Amino acid sequence: GENVEQHPSTLSVQEGDSAVIKCTYSDSASNYFPWYKQELGKRPQLIIDIRSNVGEKKDQRIAVTLNKTAKHFSLHITETQPEDSAVYFCAASITGNTPLVFGKGTRLSVIA
Amino acid sequence: DTAVSQTPKYLVTQMGNDKSIKCEQNLGHDTMYWYKQDSKKFLKIMFSYNNKELIINETVPNRFSPKSPDKAHLNLHINSLELGDSAVYFCASSSQGAHAEAFFGQGTRLTVV
Repeated sequence: GENVEQHPSTLSVQEGDSAVIKCTYSDSASNYFPWYKQELGKRPQLIIDIRSNVGEKKDQRIAVTLNKTAKHFSLHITETQPEDSAVYFCAASITGNTPLVFGKGTRLSVIA
Repeated sequence: DTAVSQTPKYLVTQMGNDKSIKCEQNLGHDTMYWYKQDSKKFLKIMFSYNNKELIINETVPNRFSPKSPDKAHLNLHINSLELGDSAVYFCASSSQGAHAEAFFGQGTRLTVV
């Protein structure tokens, strides 16, 4: 089955700096790669996703890149703000076929 | 309206008891899931269920049993609760089409004492 590795497990950045979280996956058939943000005591919520026919996607301060050959994908957050502090999860699945398999999460702390 | 709702939000119970967590979605999705989030925040799939098939994760003890009375509901029943079952349990749903975003419920924090 699919295995998703995520690094780093914790990340501290100064407000205004960029943050990068990296994930690798094992199943070359996976074609859907979402990123979820989970604030303390809340449910995970989708912030951005990318499908295997696209190499990069951007939404305001958030961008994701995907390298299918190397089977890795990354989340980039620019101009970080204190409200970006949360646990971020990457995930992978085969669209419409398998449940999301999550990485172990990255706890991001943005220091004001 | 809440898209995916689960009850109760908190559940404290003694070892050996049997308990259920209910989940309902009003998104018209045909696939629902249960995830377990442990103290280290790791989100692990337990079950996925759609109209046609229940997919059981082999690492889940058979004390855990999902029950789906219809497409909009997927309940989780747990027998003979153990201390190690303490965790946050999330229900989620998605469609089977191209847009596979999973929507999560608010979670049920289960504490076994």
